[in-house]
Amino acid sequence: DAKTTQPPSMDCAEGRAANLPCNHSTISGNEYVYWYRQIHSQGPQYIIHGLKNNETNEMASLIITEDRKSSTLILPHATLRDTAVYYCIVRVGGSEKLVFGKGTKLTVNP
Amino acid sequence: GAVVSQHPSWVICKSGTSVKIECRSLDFQATTMFWYRQFPKQSLMLMATSNEGSKATYEQGVEKDKFLINHASLTLSTLTVTSAHPEDSSFYICSAPGTGDYGYTFGSGTRLTVV
Repeated sequence: DAKTTQPPSMDCAEGRAANLPCNHSTISGNEYVYWYRQIHSQGPQYIIHGLKNNETNEMASLIITEDRKSSTLILPHATLRDTAVYYCIVRVGGSEKLVFGKGTKLTVNP
Repeated sequence: GAVVSQHPSWVICKSGTSVKIECRSLDFQATTMFWYRQFPKQSLMLMATSNEGSKATYEQGVEKDKFLINHASLTLSTLTVTSAHPEDSSFYICSAPGTGDYGYTFGSGTRLTVV
């Protein structure tokens, strides 16, 4: 079973920041937080991951609380092409299988 | 970056026939690949894990005789849906651990419609 909880849907205005929350209260010390997104009828796309420090890349920022029980994915300037289902997943590194929860459907509105 | 090529992107078949879906890792070796199924408006459900040179591991409730998985080389894994029925119509996606620690790379998916 998925170890994360996300809101089922969110809306965001184009050009504004989109903040997607994720609860992972049972996360273990060696588990990473990964974020993927799936645009309609495509395979999921990797966005970002982190262990306990905040992370930033060209796509997004990941903020992990100090107790690691929750995190927030931030898309700083959302565009219409960011409309997708966003999945937050916790896993140990290596080849462990990915278990997807229901994710958050983000709709970016013009 | 790591790329997984999945073919075909869509297929329509008649009930009772078999369909093969291929996933190739293009620029890296994948000793493990994962196969998912996704029904409309639902999340991805892991079906099985394929391992190069050994038998696949199936998730609970997935019929191994119906969904045949072969991982014959370090770059190719195949999923064959045997004796397909309309209820097998779904979106099938493969994935493989990418290089480095950048998560998994996913194929583009195969839309299977059984008529």
